[in-house]
Amino acid sequence: RKEVEQDPGPFNVPEGATVAFNCTYSNSASQSFFWYRQDCRKEPKLLMSVYSSGNEDGRFTAQLNRASQYISLLIRDSKLSDSATYLCVVNSPGGDSSYKLIFGSGTRLLVRP
Amino acid sequence: SQTIHQWPATLVQPVGSPLSLECTVEGTSNPNLYWYRQAAGRGLQLLFYSVGIGQISSEVPQNLSASRPQDRQFILSSKKLLLSDSGFYLCAWSTGTGQETQYFGPGTRLLVL
Repeated sequence: RKEVEQDPGPFNVPEGATVAFNCTYSNSASQSFFWYRQDCRKEPKLLMSVYSSGNEDGRFTAQLNRASQYISLLIRDSKLSDSATYLCVVNSPGGDSSYKLIFGSGTRLLVRP
Repeated sequence: SQTIHQWPATLVQPVGSPLSLECTVEGTSNPNLYWYRQAAGRGLQLLFYSVGIGQISSEVPQNLSASRPQDRQFILSSKKLLLSDSGFYLCAWSTGTGQETQYFGPGTRLLVL
C-alpha cells in the first residue's frame, strides 16, 4: 500500500464548478499535512497547510479526518487558472525521518471554459 | 526573503557521462536540504536529504550521490549516467525544525540519451 494515495484523475470540470479531491495516508502518527499545486513542467508550490480543525483560504477549503486518515481539498468557483496537478503531502513521523515529507502522485484538474 | 536556485535548467547528457547539479539557498541559515526526482507523469521520489554540512542521508540506492560542502549549497552527482536517470530533478529546503513546509527550486530537466 502506498503511504499517500490519490485518485490521479483527470477531473474535467467547467468554469465555476465546485470540485473536491480526497487523499488517504497510511501512517496514523503523521502530524503535518499539506496540499501543493504543480503546474505542467514546473516545481510544486505550497497551496495550503491542513489543520485539524479544517481551514479555508479564499475559494480553497482543506479538511483533515484523522480517524479515517484522509485529507480533502475543496475548490469552489473553479477558474481556468486552477488547472494543475494537486499533490497531497504528509510528513513522515519519528526520529531521523521527521524531516521527510511523503508526496502523493497527484490529482490532475482540468477546468474548461 | 528566501530564494532557492538550481542550475542548469535543462541538460542533455549521453549515457555513461558524469553529472553535477547544483542547488543554493539564500536568505536562511542551516536549512534542511533535499533532492527529489520526478519521472515523467510520476510522483516525487526523495533521493537525498541533509540536515547540516557534510551530513547526507540517502533514500534510494542508485548510482547518484549528494554532497553539502557549504551550509546553503547542495550538489547532486553521478559518475556514470544511466538512461533511467532521466527526469525532473528538484531541490527543496525547509527551516530545519522538522514537520514543516518544503520550498522547491525551479528544477533541472535531465535527458539521458
